[in-house]
Amino acid sequence: GNSVTQMEGPVTLSEEAFLTINCTYTATGYPSLFWYVQYPGEGLQLLLKATKADDKGSNKGFEATYRKETTSFHLEKGSVQVSDSAVYFCALYSSASKIIFGSGTRLSIRP
Amino acid sequence: NAGVTQTPKFQVLKTGQSMTLQCAQDMNHNSMYWYRQDPGMGLRLIYYSASEGTTDKGEVPNGYNVSRLNKREFSLRLESAAPSQTSVYFCASSAGTAYSNQPQHFGDGTRLSIL
Repeated sequence: GNSVTQMEGPVTLSEEAFLTINCTYTATGYPSLFWYVQYPGEGLQLLLKATKADDKGSNKGFEATYRKETTSFHLEKGSVQVSDSAVYFCALYSSASKIIFGSGTRLSIRP
Repeated sequence: NAGVTQTPKFQVLKTGQSMTLQCAQDMNHNSMYWYRQDPGMGLRLIYYSASEGTTDKGEVPNGYNVSRLNKREFSLRLESAAPSQTSVYFCASSAGTAYSNQPQHFGDGTRLSIL
C-alpha cells in the first residue's frame, strides 16, 4: 500500500543554517504531495504542495520538489529562523489511499 | 476569521464515560474529517464526511461514532472511553465534495485524557 517516510527528529539547528527534512513515499499512480507545519498548541497548516512530477512547491522561504524518479519530496529552506521551530509533516494523497501523513519531524532552531 | 473551531480544548474522562467532541467550520466546505494524533504516529483518520448527510470510516474507527449535523458541524462521540483513546483529536475541513487533494484546514485540537 501507499506510505510516507520522514526522517526522524528532533532536528536542532542554529539560526541561519540550511534546512533539509527528508521525505520519501511509496505509491501507485501519481499522488499529490504536501508539507504541513504544526506550531505548538495549534493544528496543522498547509505549508506547500505539488501535484505532479517535477513541480516545485514553495512558501515562506520553504521549497520542495516532487521527484518521481527518487520518490521523494524533501523540504528545504536556505536560512532558518527561530520562528520556524515546529513539527513538519509530509503527506501524500492518492485516490486509492486518500491522505496519509508521515510521523512528523520536530525542528528546533537555536538563536 | 474563525476557520475550524473545536470544543473543548482539554478534557479528562474516567474509563467508561462518554463524551462528544464538537467541530464547526465557517468556510462553507463540503468535506470534514476527524483525526487522532499520537506520538511518533503522525495523524490517523478516524472518520470523514464527504458531504452533508454522509459519513465513512477511516483508518481507526473502532470505539467512535460521528454525526454530520449540517454542513458546518461534524461531531465525534466516544460512547465508552478507554485509556487507549487518550490522544489529541483534530477536526479538519476541505473544499470539494469528495475526499480529494484539496488542502485541509485544521482546528487547534482537543487534548483528551482517559484515566
